Amino acid sequence: EIVMTQSPATLSVSPGERATLSCRASQSVSSKLAWYQQKPGQAPRLLIYGASTRATGIPARFSGSGSGTEFTLTISSLQSEDFAVYYCQQYNDWPRTFGQGTKVEIK
Amino acid sequence: EVQLLDSGGGLVQPGGSLRLSCAASEFTFSSCALSWVRQAPGKGLEWVSSISGSGDTTYYADSVRGRFTISRDNSKNTLYLQMNSLRAEDTAVYYCARVMSGKLPAAPLLYWGQGTLVTVSS
Repeated sequence: EIVMTQSPATLSVSPGERATLSCRASQSVSSKLAWYQQKPGQAPRLLIYGASTRATGIPARFSGSGSGTEFTLTISSLQSEDFAVYYCQQYNDWPRTFGQGTKVEIK
Repeated sequence: EVQLLDSGGGLVQPGGSLRLSCAASEFTFSSCALSWVRQAPGKGLEWVSSISGSGDTTYYADSVRGRFTISRDNSKNTLYLQMNSLRAEDTAVYYCARVMSGKLPAAPLLYWGQGTLVTVSS
């Protein structure tokens, strides 16, 4: 099983600042890495797939990078609606696995 | 707009059974692979199971293999998850989700249901 490790667990950021979230895979997942955003009481929302492609309707302030085992989600200028939990997920191998999540909170 | 409506959750005793359903609309159901993902209270996301568009290929997490069965009725546009031998650790919100595109579950999950809560407790 591929283990996905996200860091940090919690990120405190002021509105307008940049946020950088990391995701590491225990073995290569190529570029088959997705990022999801989840707000309390809501289903997850797909932000990024293929490590760096934004899903339809996702603002340009969200960007993804990386390949192999190291990935990054960057939110260039945090808006109030961006405070949420973010999960990475690999879809290169079975079982599909998620990271444990990074909570982005208001500083 | 693609819609996924999860249902069937509830309170069940340990060792009991439950069947979840996910009614889909506004897309060609048989053309898309589907999955179940769960989230225990206050915890992260856990992939549970996936099924191809035709229903002939299925995948399971080790934690549920042999106890849960994923299936679909393409004539009814409905996905199912039959859960047997339920344990306390199966308590979670269960989401059905559709891949971005394709009959094989090889793509990320673009569309999600609202979730249905399963509570396993005596």
